[in-house]
Amino acid sequence: EIVMTQSPVTLSVSPGERATLSCRASQSVRYDLAWYQQKPGQAPRLLIYGASTRATGIPARFSGSGSGTEFTLTINSLQSEDFAVYYCQQYKNWPPLTFGGGTKVEI
Amino acid sequence: QVQLVESGGGVVQPGRSLRLSCAASGFTFTTYGFHWVRQAPGKGLDWVAFISDDGSNKYFTASVKGRFSISRDNSKNTVYLQVDSLRTGDTAVYFCARDGGDGFNVFDYWGQGTRVTVSS
Repeated sequence: EIVMTQSPVTLSVSPGERATLSCRASQSVRYDLAWYQQKPGQAPRLLIYGASTRATGIPARFSGSGSGTEFTLTINSLQSEDFAVYYCQQYKNWPPLTFGGGTKVEI
Repeated sequence: QVQLVESGGGVVQPGRSLRLSCAASGFTFTTYGFHWVRQAPGKGLDWVAFISDDGSNKYFTASVKGRFSISRDNSKNTVYLQVDSLRTGDTAVYFCARDGGDGFNVFDYWGQGTRVTVSS
């Protein structure tokens, strides 16, 4: 099983600033990495797949990078609606599909 | 538009069963696989099960193998998760999610979730 580790657990950012979230895989997942956003009481939403491709309707301020075992989600110019929990997920080797533990982006 | 609507959750005693349903609309149901993902209270996301577009491939996370089963009814555009021998550790919100397809085994659309509480 591929273990996904996210850091930091909590990230405190001011509106308008940039947030940088990290995700590490226990073995290479090449580019088979996705990012999701989840707000309280809501289902997650797909943001990024293929490590760097934005999903339909996702604003350009969200960008993903990385390959192998190290990945980054960058949110430029944070908006109020971006404060949420973010999860990474690998789909290189499964089952099981595995998620990181999440990063909470707070004000 | 794509819609996934789960139902069937509830409060049950340990050892009992439930059948969760996921009704899909807004796309060609038969060309997609589906997943169930759960989230325990205050915790992260945990993949549970997958069924392929034609129902021929089914996968489960280790902790539910032998207790959970997954199926689909293409005539009703519905995916099911039969959850048997429930344990307190199965308490969670269960989300149905569509597989991204084309080798992208991501969750591109999600339902709102159905809550399962296992308690004596």
